[in-house]
Amino acid sequence: AQKITQTQPGMFVQEKEAVTLDCTYDTSDPSYGLFWYKQPSSGEMIFLIYQGSYDQQNATEGRYSLNFQKARKSANLVISASQLGDSAMYFCAMRDAGLTGGGNKLTFGTGTQLKVEL
Amino acid sequence: NAGVTQTPKFQVLKTGQSMTLQCAQDMNHNSMYWYRQDPGMGLRLIYYSASEGTTDKGEVPNGYNVSRLNKREFSLRLESAAPSQTSVYFCASSEGDRLRMNTEAFFGQGTRLTVV
Repeated sequence: AQKITQTQPGMFVQEKEAVTLDCTYDTSDPSYGLFWYKQPSSGEMIFLIYQGSYDQQNATEGRYSLNFQKARKSANLVISASQLGDSAMYFCAMRDAGLTGGGNKLTFGTGTQLKVEL
Repeated sequence: NAGVTQTPKFQVLKTGQSMTLQCAQDMNHNSMYWYRQDPGMGLRLIYYSASEGTTDKGEVPNGYNVSRLNKREFSLRLESAAPSQTSVYFCASSEGDRLRMNTEAFFGQGTRLTVV
């Protein structure tokens, strides 16, 4: 069964610093995708970045990068040069191919609340 | 471009009442999902539909039913609402299927449901 774990309920970072948000996952499927979403206080869900299980390189999107360590089953989000607008809840999510059942289910972690301070 | 549209945005129900949350997407996506979001619990999957004509239980299906009416629409029904179902509900859709992992899910704006 799929499982996503985010162990940091809350994080603080100073403006312009980098921050890493942790995510570990569990699946027995060899084919899966990992996603990060941002949820600001307004409530909408914003897609940030994707990493596939077969991707050789770590994904990057602007100030966001994904530190993918397949053997450790971790997919940490790194935000560089934090801005006040980065203050939000961040969710890690996973979809697998369902080769072991439950295909295409998209499972989320419990989230990390990030606060960027001056 | 509407994306994923959920109705209603807010709802107050009395215990025991029923209601249906509507969700429609205009992106021709195969997969659709219903989640509930509660403080400290993240987004928990209630039901999902990997393709038109199929539905599967997620993590917290008890007390809910779903219908994948066609490719566009996926509704969530509460037959007899309980205070424990007070939550924010999100519908989402994605193009992804078993062969394509890399398509992100698009979310509706959410429905804030209170059961008193």
